[in-house]
Amino acid sequence: KQEVTQIPAALSVPEGENLVLNCSFTDSAIYNLQWFRQDPGKGLTSLLLIQSSQREQTSGRLNASLDKSSGRSTLYIAASQPGDSATYLCAVSGSARQLTFGSGTQLTVLP
Amino acid sequence: IAGITQAPTSQILAAGRRMTLRCTQDMRHNAMYWYRQDLGLGLRLIHYSNTAGTTGKGEVPDGYSVSRANTDDFPLTLASAVPSQTSVYFCASSDSDRASFFFGPGTRLTVL
Repeated sequence: KQEVTQIPAALSVPEGENLVLNCSFTDSAIYNLQWFRQDPGKGLTSLLLIQSSQREQTSGRLNASLDKSSGRSTLYIAASQPGDSATYLCAVSGSARQLTFGSGTQLTVLP
Repeated sequence: IAGITQAPTSQILAAGRRMTLRCTQDMRHNAMYWYRQDLGLGLRLIHYSNTAGTTGKGEVPDGYSVSRANTDDFPLTLASAVPSQTSVYFCASSDSDRASFFFGPGTRLTVL
């Protein structure tokens, strides 16, 4: 059974810092990996999708990497802003194309 | 509408009552999903449907049922609600490659 772990569970940083969120998964036979953002009381918004054949994806200040062999992904956020404060969720999709989620990292960016 | 809508937004329910959570998408996605989100446990898959007319069980299906009569609608029914079903429920859909997933705004359900 696929298990997804995210570390740290919570992170607080001052505005302007670059930061890295970590995600690990136990079964490397994945179809793809997605990073989502969730604001309090809201649904999930997809940030980046990395196919299993890719190593990284970038969107603006966000960069996600994937190392399938080691079962790891990182989400890099450059020049963090208070508006980046949210919970970030990592999810992997396996052969059945269903998502397995980590518990998330709650990020607070202090002004 | 654009994307996925869920109803109701929130509900307080007495234990033992029957409840149906509604989900509608307008993206013509074949695959749809129901997840529950609990503090410290992340999102867990309850049921899914790969196409209209078919459904399957996810990680935590007990106490829930679903139907998929058409492409757009995927209701989730709690036949006899119990307090452990207090949670936030998210409906999702995905495209033909089941690569990109889209989520609804969620239904916050409290069972007393």
